Amino acid sequence: GAGVSQSPSNKVTEKGKDVELRCDPISGHTALYWYRQSLGQGLEFLIYFQGNSAPDKSGLPSDRFSAERTGGSVSTLTIQRTQQEDSAVYLCASSLQSGTGRNTIYFGEGSWLTVV
Amino acid sequence: QKEVEQNSGPLSVPEGAIASLNCTYSDRGSQSFFWYRQYSGKSPELIMFIYSNGDKEDGRFTAQLNKASQYVSLLIRDSQPSDSATYLCAARGAGSYQLTFGKGTKLSVIP
Repeated sequence: GAGVSQSPSNKVTEKGKDVELRCDPISGHTALYWYRQSLGQGLEFLIYFQGNSAPDKSGLPSDRFSAERTGGSVSTLTIQRTQQEDSAVYLCASSLQSGTGRNTIYFGEGSWLTVV
Repeated sequence: QKEVEQNSGPLSVPEGAIASLNCTYSDRGSQSFFWYRQYSGKSPELIMFIYSNGDKEDGRFTAQLNKASQYVSLLIRDSQPSDSATYLCAARGAGSYQLTFGKGTKLSVIP
């Protein structure tokens, strides 16, 4: 696709429910990131995928958060037993190759999650 | 702990003036630096990246990097109301894939 595609764009869920957020990266981009941005805050790194390598999960805030990437392309971020503090914009991004050095990261429009 | 610091603002400048946005970083190993613009309710959009000391110009935008001082800046010449947004500074270490972001500076260009 032309850009990073995310769905849903908006999600309102009840506390305690599980949610799934989907990301389709730019075609040909092998590096995929998930970031979280809370209101008035900077971007918080969550997880990184590169090709078939084991993902870097060091940014996941708790074991309620998990992510997978199928076939080296589409990724799903799952939040179990959602809490109000999970309310944020979840941004997916992709990059060519390893995403190091000068390779720039391009963001999707985000999934706005509200836990009520 | 790698940190990127920005003045949260808001920074207000009159239309046509030069807006100067500043950023400092704590990790001396940082090699690449990125400026993203984020309109309210929208995702970050890459404006410029810089990895060599000195200035890099692209249209009305100039990025400046001083690795000795661990300082990055973005100058916007002839500021327009459409430049009003939050500007995010990000740094990446050598061989690293993670970008560390600052919290952003909100810029308001007053017509």
